[in-house]
Amino acid sequence: QVQLQESGPGLVKPSQTLSLTCTVSGASINSESDHWTWIRQPAGKGLEWIGRIHSAGSTSYNPSLKSRVTISVDTSGNQFSLTLSSVTAADTAVYFCARDGGLGYIEYWGRGTLVTVSS
Amino acid sequence: QSALTQPASVSGSPGQSITISCTGTSSDVGGYNFVSWYQQHPGKAPKVIIFDVEKRPSGVSNRFSGSKSDNTASLTISGLQAEDEADYHCSSFTRSNSFVFGGGTKVTVL
Repeated sequence: QVQLQESGPGLVKPSQTLSLTCTVSGASINSESDHWTWIRQPAGKGLEWIGRIHSAGSTSYNPSLKSRVTISVDTSGNQFSLTLSSVTAADTAVYFCARDGGLGYIEYWGRGTLVTVSS
Repeated sequence: QSALTQPASVSGSPGQSITISCTGTSSDVGGYNFVSWYQQHPGKAPKVIIFDVEKRPSGVSNRFSGSKSDNTASLTISGLQAEDEADYHCSSFTRSNSFVFGGGTKVTVL
């Protein structure tokens, strides 16, 4: 059974960098078909796709966030990570890590982690 | 990229059918058949209920169905049940090789 678990600071100061890690179990992050994805959801609002990475290293980002986002893979730890720079209060949200099996939809989701941007 | 447009809320009585629309552009919904729908109960992660416009994953009730016409995708819930009360989100692949979600629709069972 595929499981994903987000981890990282729950509070980040404005202008600093948000960093989250997703640990994957029940599947190999080296899978040729899978894309490892980050999605966020501000309280009471809709989902926002942040970006994804393939195990081979190719990435795709939301054009509106592209200048501030980096997604990377740690194959030895079966993990992938998100960094978002120069954060503001508008980046406060629940952040989900997820697996897209290469078919254009999310099959598995983490439980989500709340990140608050505040001084 | 702009979010896909969904109605904020839709309601119906038990047993009725409701339809949720998801409007995009020819650069996303209208240009690809990679439209998916997710159901999200409060405090939970979303769950896919429709992918590739109209396909249902194994285990998803056949009361859920999807369709698309031009730049608008639709999700229909037939035989509405209390357990269907949730938020529903549409998503589409885009010309930018990225994905975009809608703003979400709250379904209320009266």
